[in-house]
Amino acid sequence: AQKVTQAQTEISVVEKEDVTLDCVYETRDTTYYLFWYKQPPSGELVFLIRRNSFDEQNEISGRYSWNFQKSTSSFNFTITASQVVDSAVYFCALSDAASFSGSYNKLIFGAGTRLAVHP
Amino acid sequence: ETGVTQTPRHLVMGMTNKKSLKCEQHLGHNAMYWYKQSAKKPLELMFVYNFKEQTENNSVPSRFSPECPNSSHLFLHLHTLQPEDSALYLCASSRDPGVPYGYTFGSGTRLTVV
Repeated sequence: AQKVTQAQTEISVVEKEDVTLDCVYETRDTTYYLFWYKQPPSGELVFLIRRNSFDEQNEISGRYSWNFQKSTSSFNFTITASQVVDSAVYFCALSDAASFSGSYNKLIFGAGTRLAVHP
Repeated sequence: ETGVTQTPRHLVMGMTNKKSLKCEQHLGHNAMYWYKQSAKKPLELMFVYNFKEQTENNSVPSRFSPECPNSSHLFLHLHTLQPEDSALYLCASSRDPGVPYGYTFGSGTRLTVV
C-alpha cells in the first residue's frame, strides 16, 4: 500500500535558523516519483520539486535542499537560513507506478507540516 | 497566478442552498481533480476527470455533484450541505496520464456551511 508520513505536525523556528521537514514514504514499486508542495496562507499548493526513484542525487535550489534516501524511504526537505516568507504548510507526496500507470496521475499526500518562521 | 483559477475564493452558504464552485485551466492539461482540505486532516481526493470523463469518485456523498463540460472547466455543484462540509476545496489539473509531472493547483474556495 502507498503511504506518505509527515510526522512533524508543526514546527516553529526563528528567522535564519535552518529547518528540516521529514517525509517517509511506503510503496512496493521500484518506479515512483516524490514531490514537495508549499501551501502559503493564500491557499494554493505550489509545486517545489519532483524526484524520481532512480535519481538519488541530492538537490539544492537556493536556500532549499532535498535529501533522498532510498535505504530509509525518506525524502527530507531542508530550508537554510529560514525567512518569514517560508511560513506555510508543506506537503510531501508520492506517485508510484500503480498510481500513474492508470488513467490519471494519482498523488498520495502526507498530512503536511506547518512551518512558522518568526522574526 | 498558477494557471488554474477557482471562483469564488470564499463562499458562505446555508444548508438548504444550492451553489456551484468553478475551476478553469488553460494549461492544456487533460486531467482535473477536486480535493477537499479540512482543518487538521490530509488532503482528500474527491473526483477525477480525465479527458472530460469521470474516472474516480472517491465515495463522495451525493450532495456533491461534479461536472466537466470540457477539458478546461470543472464544476462542483453543492446542495443541502452539512456544517462538516466546511473546508477548503482545491481544484488541480495535470498533464497526460502516465506522465507524473504532478499537479497544478488553484487557490481554492474556502467554503463555510452555516
